Amino acid sequence: GENVEQHPSTLSVQEGDSAVIKCTYSDSASNYFPWYKQELGKRPQLIIDIRSNVGEKKDQRIAVTLNKTAKHFSLHITETQPEDSAVYFCAALGGYQKVTFGIGTKLQVIP
Amino acid sequence: DAGITQSPRYKITETGRQVTLMCHQTWSHSYMFWYRQDLGHGLRLIYYSAAADITDKGEVPDGYVVSRSKTENFPLTLESATRSQTSVYFCASRDRGDQPQHFGDGTRLSIL
Repeated sequence: GENVEQHPSTLSVQEGDSAVIKCTYSDSASNYFPWYKQELGKRPQLIIDIRSNVGEKKDQRIAVTLNKTAKHFSLHITETQPEDSAVYFCAALGGYQKVTFGIGTKLQVIP
Repeated sequence: DAGITQSPRYKITETGRQVTLMCHQTWSHSYMFWYRQDLGHGLRLIYYSAAADITDKGEVPDGYVVSRSKTENFPLTLESATRSQTSVYFCASRDRGDQPQHFGDGTRLSIL
């Protein structure tokens, strides 16, 4: 089955700096890669996603890149703000229509 | 997302008891999922369903039972609860193809 590894597990940045979270996946058939943000005590919510026919996607301060050859995708947050503090999960949609999640990255933005 | 609701939001029960967590979605999504979330383990898939009357095991199915007699409902039953099943449980649904999953608000289950 699919295996998704996510790094780092925790990340602290100063407000205004950039944050990068990296994920790798194992199933070459995976074709859809969503990213979720989970605030404390709340549900995971989709913040951005990318499909395998695209190398990069941007939505305001958030961008995701995908390298299919290396089976690697990353989340980039620029000009971080305190409200960006949360746990971020990467995921990959592989065979059998199951989404496999990374273990999560706890991002802390220091004012 | 108001289209997927879980109940109860909080539940305390004792070891050995049977408990059922409910999940209801109004989008007519084909796929529904149950995850448990524990510190240090992220989101682990318990069971999923591709359509009514079709269910399959995920990563951690032991001790759990599911059913899906109707597209919109996907209850999760712990037949004889154990302390190791204390967790936050999330239900999710999505449509076919490369579509995002939508999560419910979760059920915080404590087993004493």
